[in-house]
Parts: sequence; structure tokens; C-alpha cells
Amino acid sequence: NAGVTQTPKFRILKIGQSMTLQCAQDMNHNYMYWYRQDPGMGLKLIYYSVGAGITDKGEVPNGYNVSRSTTEDFPLRLELAAPSQTSVYFCASSYLNTEAFFGQGTRLTVV
Amino acid sequence: QQQVKQSPQSLIVQKGGISIINCAYENTAFDYFPWYQQFPGKGPALLIAIRPDVSEKKEGRFTISFNKSAKQFSLHIMDSQPGDSATYFCAASMKGSARQLTFGSGTQLTVLP
Repeated sequence: NAGVTQTPKFRILKIGQSMTLQCAQDMNHNYMYWYRQDPGMGLKLIYYSVGAGITDKGEVPNGYNVSRSTTEDFPLRLELAAPSQTSVYFCASSYLNTEAFFGQGTRLTVV
Repeated sequence: QQQVKQSPQSLIVQKGGISIINCAYENTAFDYFPWYQQFPGKGPALLIAIRPDVSEKKEGRFTISFNKSAKQFSLHIMDSQPGDSATYFCAASMKGSARQLTFGSGTQLTVLP
């Protein structure tokens, strides 16, 4: 039982490059989320989805895009990477009012 | 403002001691208060959670105390062990928000052997 799987684990991007962070869950959860974690700042919500085809902005959505074409997958797209997007990104999923399960994270550095 | 304020930022406790981490929230619509534990290089994992209809919840060595009138809740770790050394986050969410979590800034706990 894999849970929430994120790829890649590490990535270095140059300023202005683009990339997609992948997230997949095998628990048939309807809710999925993307958070970023900066040192000493806790986790902040970037985007979330309540089901396939439905996405909405969180607290810090600027510079990111998401899509949810299937229940299992929730990729996060970074366009025109900036140093301010250097962070650790966590994908999470949950079912209705149950606990959220987190992936292992993607550590992204923009140079 | 949907803030959750957490203190202290770091905590050092001797093995066998009690670790106490505090959180305060502002939004009275929050109705679910989980604590997450995170080890280096790993994602956060749910440790224990409480809803505001109870004032305390205990699971093993971990206890949440909840004060609805003061809008505060705390995590108590009894008989702290070196294996408890991790970063702890309090969080809050509310109905109708797809259970988005608003996190505190985290507490790095070190338990000395």
C-alpha cells in the first residue's frame, strides 16, 4: 500500500525554467492538496482539489498551476521558476473528514 | 485571519520529562485540531487530533488539552523519549473548507538521553 507518492524527491531548477511535481495516491481519496514548507514557517496551502476536474486556490497559489484529471493524480506545475519558490513541497490526500496523509515531499531549489 | 500561532519554536527536554507545546487560534469556525509529527526528510504524520466538544484527549503518552473559551490547545508528551525527537505542528481546519489545514510554525523537540 503506497499511500501518497511524490516524484521527484529532489530537483534543482534554473530561474525561468518550468517543471511539474507529480503526486499520486492509491487510497481512493477525494480530497487532495499541495502545501509548501519553508523553514520556520510551517506548511502553507498552495492548491487543493475536492475531486476530479475540480481545483481551487489556497493561501499561496501565485506562480503555480494544478490539474486533476483523475482521482489518483494531482500534479503541480511551476511556470517560470523563481528563487522564492525554493521550498519543500508536500502533497496530501484525505477522504471527507478523515485525516490527511502526506507524501515524502519534493525538495526544490531554484538557482 | 486564519492564523494558528505555535510556541515554543524549539524545546529541549530530558528523557522521562514532560514536553509541552502550545497553540492558539483566532478563527472560531475551526472545528478540528490535529497535531502532526515530522521526522527529518519525511512528510508530516498525524499524531493525535481533537474536536472542540471535548477538553482533553489522550492516546498513550500523548495528550491534547483544549480550551475553547481561550482559543488555545496544547500537546503534552509524557515520559518523553529520544525517539520523540522530531518537529511537531499543530493545525486547524473547519467544515466546508475541504478540510484545508492551517498549520502552526512548528516546534523542534529534542529529547536528551
